[in-house]
Amino acid sequence: GQNIDQPTEMTATEGAIVQINCTYQTSGFNGLFWYQQHAGEAPTFLSYNVLDGLEEKGRFSSFLSRSKGYSYLLLKELQMKDSASYLCAVVDSNYQLIWGAGTKLIIKP
Amino acid sequence: DTAVSQTPKYLVTQMGNDKSIKCEQNLGHDTMYWYKQDSKKFLKIMFSYNNKELIINETVPNRFSPKSPDKAHLNLHINSLELGDSAVYFCASSQFSDRGPGELFFGEGSRLTVL
Repeated sequence: GQNIDQPTEMTATEGAIVQINCTYQTSGFNGLFWYQQHAGEAPTFLSYNVLDGLEEKGRFSSFLSRSKGYSYLLLKELQMKDSASYLCAVVDSNYQLIWGAGTKLIIKP
Repeated sequence: DTAVSQTPKYLVTQMGNDKSIKCEQNLGHDTMYWYKQDSKKFLKIMFSYNNKELIINETVPNRFSPKSPDKAHLNLHINSLELGDSAVYFCASSQFSDRGPGELFFGEGSRLTVL
């Protein structure tokens, strides 16, 4: 079967750095997405990785290792508004999106 | 202008009723989706549709049916509503390419409560 694993919940302090991990086992791989979802709102796109390495976009970076079936989302200089769920999604060999259950990130002052 | 809009935002109804949720996108995308997000916040794909193909998640009961009058609209019809249908339903769209589905743009969600 296809599987995406993420921690259920993480807590971090305002101003700090946090890394949210995602491991996947899918039938093929055609890219990996990270989305952010604030409570009561729709998911919004954060990043897309299809090649190994680090993609940086402001305070957010996303890393991919296809050989390890592993990605992480790195959030720097955490702000209270970063409190949200972070969803990892993998595009499989049939170009279908397989979603993780999401990681709820709690930011404390 | 809202890129992906869905109505209604809230829907409260009785078991056994039939209801519809409408979705429209003005992004010119060729693929639209319906997702169900339950209380555990897990996003479950129900349907994906472009002008060539309807892909149905086989776990979705046949009480649920998508209707697409044109490529900018994908409505969701639900017959004989059950308590377990209570969830937030998200419509989304994307532009499919040879690299796959592309970035998804989501509507605001429709919170369905079945009493």
